[in-house]
Amino acid sequence: SQQGEEDPQALSIQEGENATMNCSYKTSINNLQWYRQNSGRGLVHLILIRSNEREKHSGRLRVTLDTSKKSSSLLITASRAADTASYFCATAPGSSNTGKLIFGQGTTLQVKP
Amino acid sequence: EAQVTQNPRYLITVTGKKLTVTCSQNMNHEYMSWYRQDPGLGLRQIYYSMNVEVTDKGDVPEGYKVSRKEKRNFPLILESPSPNQTSLYFCASSPKASPRTSGRNEQFFGPGTRLTVL
Repeated sequence: SQQGEEDPQALSIQEGENATMNCSYKTSINNLQWYRQNSGRGLVHLILIRSNEREKHSGRLRVTLDTSKKSSSLLITASRAADTASYFCATAPGSSNTGKLIFGQGTTLQVKP
Repeated sequence: EAQVTQNPRYLITVTGKKLTVTCSQNMNHEYMSWYRQDPGLGLRQIYYSMNVEVTDKGDVPEGYKVSRKEKRNFPLILESPSPNQTSLYFCASSPKASPRTSGRNEQFFGPGTRLTVL
């Protein structure tokens, strides 16, 4: 079953604007990850945040994690047309070292030039 | 180059004709997994393997088989494909989350196999 749920399902913005995507999950986690998928292609790992971290940055990406609310957000600043893709959150179940990840259904982001 | 490869990339077949989709990784990862992706349903895990000769069912294992005889390979077998198995399939691998990897277990995905079962 899918644990992560992204919100919104679709987002359309103008180039240069910021894009924020949210993810909620249900059970305790070891870490939470965000992936990007260009249409019909394999997913690419963007960023990982551990359960004991609250915020992480990588270039134009900023991820926050609120374990009390079981939620995370991905912020893409100064978006570019090339950021157009689907974005998925994935959770690693807590206390598990199996490597298993549970993916949400994704947010489709369109950045208009 | 570190990568996960899948073959074939595209396949059109008919109901009942056994097929195998191969997956290979060159990163010495312990963990490998198969997903299917369908519109509106996201990625759903079919089977995963924590190491050689260790496999387990994911969320949607019905109609699929896997094997893990070698660390680098994790083939997906459809013994008798049906139209509801038409989908986009992804193989992924990751190192086992451990102190050695600082608890990181990000997955590396293959390019996908688009399967159509008529």
